[in-house]
Amino acid sequence: GAGVSQSPSNKVTEKGKDVELRCDPISGHTALYWYRQSLGQGLEFLIYFQGNSAPDKSGLPSDRFSAERTGGSVSTLTIQRTQQEDSAVYLCASSLGLRPPDTQYFGPGTRLTVL
Amino acid sequence: AQSVTQLGSHVSVSEGALVLLRCNYSSSVPPYLFWYVQYPNQGLQLLLKYTTGATLVKGINGFEAEFKKSETSFHLTKPSAHMSDAAEYFCAVSSYNTDKLIFGTGTRLQVFP
Repeated sequence: GAGVSQSPSNKVTEKGKDVELRCDPISGHTALYWYRQSLGQGLEFLIYFQGNSAPDKSGLPSDRFSAERTGGSVSTLTIQRTQQEDSAVYLCASSLGLRPPDTQYFGPGTRLTVL
Repeated sequence: AQSVTQLGSHVSVSEGALVLLRCNYSSSVPPYLFWYVQYPNQGLQLLLKYTTGATLVKGINGFEAEFKKSETSFHLTKPSAHMSDAAEYFCAVSSYNTDKLIFGTGTRLQVFP
């Protein structure tokens, strides 16, 4: 079946602009995760959704970052007033949401470059 | 709190040689441990995972890892490296009471002919 998809695959923006990154999880997966991969910080957790709720937002680096999930499916990560330090690959993952936590399947990522 | 340490940001081996990638973890609760592989310009792919039960875990592409609680380690091995194994490998930890993965900094594996 189809895996996790993310769009766009690449995004170049100017400092100060807002960007939206989209994630389509595997059909039937109730859990959805956002991570960020950057040279300086490695792979960092950002936020976790179970259904449309976000019980863990502890990784969002500032209030410029927000995310939502609608219909228990698609998720959008929004970065407002982008800064150069936001440049990174943003990875989305989904899982069945079982207990104990099960395998997370990752999408190909969105490479964000802030000029 | 949980953390992962991967010793060696770069590892180079000859084709056919043993691959050993090191991972040590810190966790105040029983850990779940994962190895993911990332090929250039691709997402992360699960190689193998340990949650409970047998401490020697076999994964895809001939890789295996052994959970050693006394050493807080989960090293990844493969008896004979192939050129196609060249990639970046990430060790990660979670547990029964957390849903997020905590990743190590990764190890880039190079395989020489």
